[in-house]
Amino acid sequence: DVKVTQSSRYLVKRTGEKVFLECVQDMDHENMFWYRQDPGLGLRLIYFSYDVKMKEKGDIPEGYSVSREKKERFSLILESASTNQTSMYLCASNSGRASGELFFGEGSRLTVL
Amino acid sequence: AQTVTQSQPEMSVQEAETVTLSCTYDTSESDYYLFWYKQPPSRQMILVIRQEAYKQQNATENRFSVNFQKAAKSFSLKISDSQLGDAAMYFCAYRGHNNDMRFGAGTRLTVKP
Repeated sequence: DVKVTQSSRYLVKRTGEKVFLECVQDMDHENMFWYRQDPGLGLRLIYFSYDVKMKEKGDIPEGYSVSREKKERFSLILESASTNQTSMYLCASNSGRASGELFFGEGSRLTVL
Repeated sequence: AQTVTQSQPEMSVQEAETVTLSCTYDTSESDYYLFWYKQPPSRQMILVIRQEAYKQQNATENRFSVNFQKAAKSFSLKISDSQLGDAAMYFCAYRGHNNDMRFGAGTRLTVKP
């Protein structure tokens, strides 16, 4: 069974803290993605990676960075968390095929106080 | 960047009836994929159905079918014989040549018994 695992389901952080969100997939997928999900806005792409050490900015990369040192792991980093980064964060992966569906993790709900 | 628009924030349907969810998109590409994803309450996002743009025939998966109008850039989802388990957020998504996936804002579907 395919699996995308996000390290934390719920996090509460303070403004200015550095936050790491980890994502691991066990499907040997080339592509990995980070989205944030907000009511009324749907899913917005933050960053994606199509190979180890490769990354591409999505639509809302400001305030975020990513790391992909190994194929199976894709980390989202908030260097200095702010209250407007309170959101649900979804990690996903898929194969390099254009028709490849995305497989999602369960999500990480981050609250920044 | 490509945009995906879902103009119905909420829809409701009576159990056993049929409902259609709307989606439009904007792109200059000729070859791409379109998807509908379902996100049940507090559960992971899963794929419902996909459509390849170069195929004229509308995709069908059991009770789920699409109406793909390429010239109009429209991709609606029809759910027949609606069941209580169909209640969820539904997201329309676009995937183009650069492999990133763009989502609409979502439609919340309620199924009334």
